[in-house]
Formats: sequence, C-alpha cells, structure tokens
Amino acid sequence: QKEVEQDPGPLSVPEGAIVSLNCTYSNSAFQYFMWYRQYSRKGPELLMYTYSSGNKEDGRFTAQVDKSSKYISLFIRDSQPSDSATYLCATSERQRQLTFGSGTQLTVLP
Amino acid sequence: DAGVTQSPTHLIKTRGQQVTLRCSPKSGHDTVSWYQQALGQGPQFIFQYYEEEERQRGNFPDRFSGHQFPNYSSELNVNALLLGDSALYLCASSLRDRGEKLFFGSGTQLSVL
Repeated sequence: QKEVEQDPGPLSVPEGAIVSLNCTYSNSAFQYFMWYRQYSRKGPELLMYTYSSGNKEDGRFTAQVDKSSKYISLFIRDSQPSDSATYLCATSERQRQLTFGSGTQLTVLP
Repeated sequence: DAGVTQSPTHLIKTRGQQVTLRCSPKSGHDTVSWYQQALGQGPQFIFQYYEEEERQRGNFPDRFSGHQFPNYSSELNVNALLLGDSALYLCASSLRDRGEKLFFGSGTQLSVL
C-alpha cells in the first residue's frame, strides 16, 4: 500500500463547475499537507499549504485536512480552463521529505 | 527573482552510460532536494543536500549520487543507466527550516535507450 493514495482521474468538468480532488494517507506522523499544480512539461507549483487539521482558503481554492480520517481534499470553485493541469497532493513530517500522491489530471472544458 | 533553474532540459543516453544533471536553487534558499517523476506518477524523493552534505535519502540505489557546492547549487549523477531510469528529474529548493515548502524547477527529461 502506498503511503499516499490519490484518485487518478482523469477528471473532466465544464467551466464554472466546483471541482473536488482527494487523497488519503496512512502515516499518522504526517503534519504538513500540500497541493501542487503541475502543467504539462513543467515542474510542480505549490498551490496550497496546510499544517495539521483544518481548512485553508485562498481565492477560488480551499484545502481541507481531516487527520482523524487521514483525508486530504482540494476544492476549486468556479473552475476555469486555465485550471487544467495535474494536481498532486503531498504530505510530510517536520523537516522530512515530501511524499506525493500519483496525481489527478483535471481538464476544464470551455 | 530567478526561480529554480535546471539544465539540461532534455537528455538522451544509452544503457550503461553516466549522466550529470545540474540545478541552481531559488535565490535565498540553502537546501536542495532531487525527485524522480516517472510518467503518470508523482515525484519520488531521491535525496536532499544542505551545507554540502547529503542529509536525507530515499529508496534509490547507490548509482544515484549528488553534490552540493558552496553557492548552494547541486548536481545529480546517475551511473550505469538503466532503461527504468527514464523519467523527469526534478530539483527543488527550500529554506532549511521550511523544508516542507518546496519550489521546483521545470526538470530534466532523461530518456535512456
């Protein structure tokens, strides 16, 4: 079993839809939870960063972490074609390397 | 402000050869990590360098080695290349005490024939 499991997709939604992306993890020691966005032939770009449980909102993006169920979510409101990319969840312990999910490929159709 | 830069962008090698990939971290960052990303997969941690020493290492064989220079730039070396080493190699930089906030370069696409 992988330490971080992510719905592989691909996911295709119409412009303006609410997108929900999810991951589960197995290591209780993980404290930091990140979402990265990766465009084709580019490196991952840090989108959201959360420490411990709770919600964090940044514009159209909301990250949720539920440590009791080891569940990580990213919501995208009013999705745009420019949001089309692969979304990677990642977790880590303090001062340790990041462990990534396998990524979900999202396409937002105009 | 220059971000993380990697060179070369693409590389083609044959089995058994050796390769060196290079990375310059984001300005102000002192820690460099290397990740391997196979097609359709998430990045996998190779190792991390800080103060010119390897501080953490993932589950990669000794064929993978690295170096960090006094100016914080870094190299990744892979010896005795295998077909399975074909992947996107990503360099990421961070501050030592904020290692969970990584900034990635665009990567080097390595193809082993």
